[in-house]
Amino acid sequence: GAVVSQHPSRVICKSGTSVKIECRSLDFQATTMFWYRQFPKKSLMLMATSNEGSKATYEQGVEKDKFLINHASLTLSTLTVTSAHPEDSSFYICSAKIQGRGTEAFFGQGTRLTVV
Amino acid sequence: GENVEQHPSTLSVQEGDSAVIKCTYSDSASNYFPWYKQELGKGPQLIIDIRSNVGEKKDQRIAVTLNKTAKHFSLHITETQPEDSAVYFCAASMAKAAGNKLTFGGGTRVLVKP
Repeated sequence: GAVVSQHPSRVICKSGTSVKIECRSLDFQATTMFWYRQFPKKSLMLMATSNEGSKATYEQGVEKDKFLINHASLTLSTLTVTSAHPEDSSFYICSAKIQGRGTEAFFGQGTRLTVV
Repeated sequence: GENVEQHPSTLSVQEGDSAVIKCTYSDSASNYFPWYKQELGKGPQLIIDIRSNVGEKKDQRIAVTLNKTAKHFSLHITETQPEDSAVYFCAASMAKAAGNKLTFGGGTRVLVKP
């Protein structure tokens, strides 16, 4: 149980285009999901907290118009990188907490984004 | 906000030996401390966690200790195996509500040499 699936696992896109990454909780409902960015050999940097049915809460320094987050259902959150540039290339990871159980966070397998 | 420091950044051990990773946190209100293992190109996987009302927790070859007074917690891996090679992250949060976020340490790259 508690499986979080991210799609796609890898994506290459051209500069100026937008890319959507999906995060799904497969066997539980998640009122809260988190989006992280990870640079090579670095720790996870929280980008935003995504709450079902409301606007995401972005961390300081994260451009909300650049990284659009939508959490339309209890099992799906999406991160859209708009007008992508090479500096947006990174490993993006989502996590989700089980509704009603506010402790354990379960992570997706990550999405490797390369902008060329 | 919370700040988590993790040491060492890299750790090389011989197969069969023990590995210890240490973390300190700054916010005394933090009460939930998970450890994650991340293999190359994959997302972090929860391997063990501990809450502030417990001083030690063990799961087979893995154990975690917590010293609330000193605000530090440690991961102990005994009888290490090559498949234990990965990056390990500690984290801290206040687990009173679903929205509370994790603050991660910088990570420890563990290499178990056969």
